[in-house]
Amino acid sequence: KNEVEQSPQNLTAQEGEFITINCSYSVGISALHWLQQHPGGGIVSLFMLSSGKKKHGRLIATINIQEKHSSLHITASHPRDSAVYICAVPSLQTSGSRLTFGEGTQLTVNP
Amino acid sequence: KAGVTQTPRYLIKTRGQQVTLSCSPISGHRSVSWYQQTPGQGLQFLFEYFSETQRNKGNFPGRFSGRQFSNSRSEMNVSTLELGDSALYLCASSSPATNYGYTFGSGTRLTVV
Repeated sequence: KNEVEQSPQNLTAQEGEFITINCSYSVGISALHWLQQHPGGGIVSLFMLSSGKKKHGRLIATINIQEKHSSLHITASHPRDSAVYICAVPSLQTSGSRLTFGEGTQLTVNP
Repeated sequence: KAGVTQTPRYLIKTRGQQVTLSCSPISGHRSVSWYQQTPGQGLQFLFEYFSETQRNKGNFPGRFSGRQFSNSRSEMNVSTLELGDSALYLCASSSPATNYGYTFGSGTRLTVV
């Protein structure tokens, strides 16, 4: 079982739809990261959260530490939201930075 | 404020050659970590450097190595390139000042032929 699992792997939506991407992890964590990767490869960090909920514009991220689960929501989706969304967790077993990634969710938003 | 800069952006090498990739972190960030992304394996951790010392290492063969300089710039080297080393190589920098949030570079796309 992978340490970090995302669902769905692929998601197609119509512009304006509400989108949810899920992430489950099996290890204890200090924080969880949501990342966005556009074609061309560059990765942008969207959220880092260790509890509760964070909101930035149309994006909302939630985490339930007890259930080891996080969700990324996009409200009023737009074609420019089309990208790969990746959740990642740092390892608590080592000091410093070592991220383990989910497989990513390819989101396509059609106009 | 400048972001994380990776050079070169694209690289084509021949099997058996070696390659050096560079990563300049955000000013003041002392931690630089490297990742490999391939279609088959996804994103995988290579190693992390902090204050010129390797602090963590992923499960990659010894052909993959790195170092960090006193100005926090980091390089990674891959020797005796194999076709399977073709990948997007990303680096990220972080700092306690940003609560260890990560800023990623745009990556170096390496093609081995």
